[in-house]
Amino acid sequence: AQSVSQHNHHVILSEAASLELGCNYSYGGTVNLFWYVQYPGQHLQLLLKYFSGDPLVKGIKGFEAEFIKSKFSFNLRKPSVQWSDTAEYFCAVRAGTYKYIFGTGTRLKVLA
Amino acid sequence: EAGVVQSPRYKIIEKKQPVAFWCNPISGHNTLYWYRQNLGQGPELLIRYENEEAVDDSQLPKDRFSAERLKGVDSTLKIQPAELGDSAVYLCASSFGLADSYEQYFGPGTRLTVT
Repeated sequence: AQSVSQHNHHVILSEAASLELGCNYSYGGTVNLFWYVQYPGQHLQLLLKYFSGDPLVKGIKGFEAEFIKSKFSFNLRKPSVQWSDTAEYFCAVRAGTYKYIFGTGTRLKVLA
Repeated sequence: EAGVVQSPRYKIIEKKQPVAFWCNPISGHNTLYWYRQNLGQGPELLIRYENEEAVDDSQLPKDRFSAERLKGVDSTLKIQPAELGDSAVYLCASSFGLADSYEQYFGPGTRLTVT
């Protein structure tokens, strides 16, 4: 069965630290990959997405993610986090039949 | 542009009672999704509509859950009767279509507590 794994459930960083959140999926075919973010008290919103082309994708607020097909991974990165990045981050995969599969999420807390 | 609207935002009911959630998608969005998000988990798709047709309801527990999208706009998700395990956040999302470039927009969700 298709699945998405986010290995870090809780991450605590100080401001200006670098961030990398892991995401691995299991599906052998063509996939579309997404990172969503949910700030406290707000809706889920799209951070960035990969469909094809350059495997390094840039999103909003300085986030980027790299699709490594051989590793079935789509890790999210940010060189320098801010307090306002405190949120929950979800990796999602759309495989085959337009069905989105979400990971369990990573709660990021950035200390000012 | 108004976002996806859901109501109610919170609902507390006793087990065995019925409950209904309402969703109004973004104007012009043909595709509508209902998700359930359990505590500490990511959203799980329950049902997807293309206009008024349910095209993927394979994850919907049909013994107690039902959904409709009359006229291909608003949608209602119902649980009857509710069980303790139904406590979760129910999310509605919409997109313009199915093509790759169409982003899903999520509503604020309805937090259901079954006691």
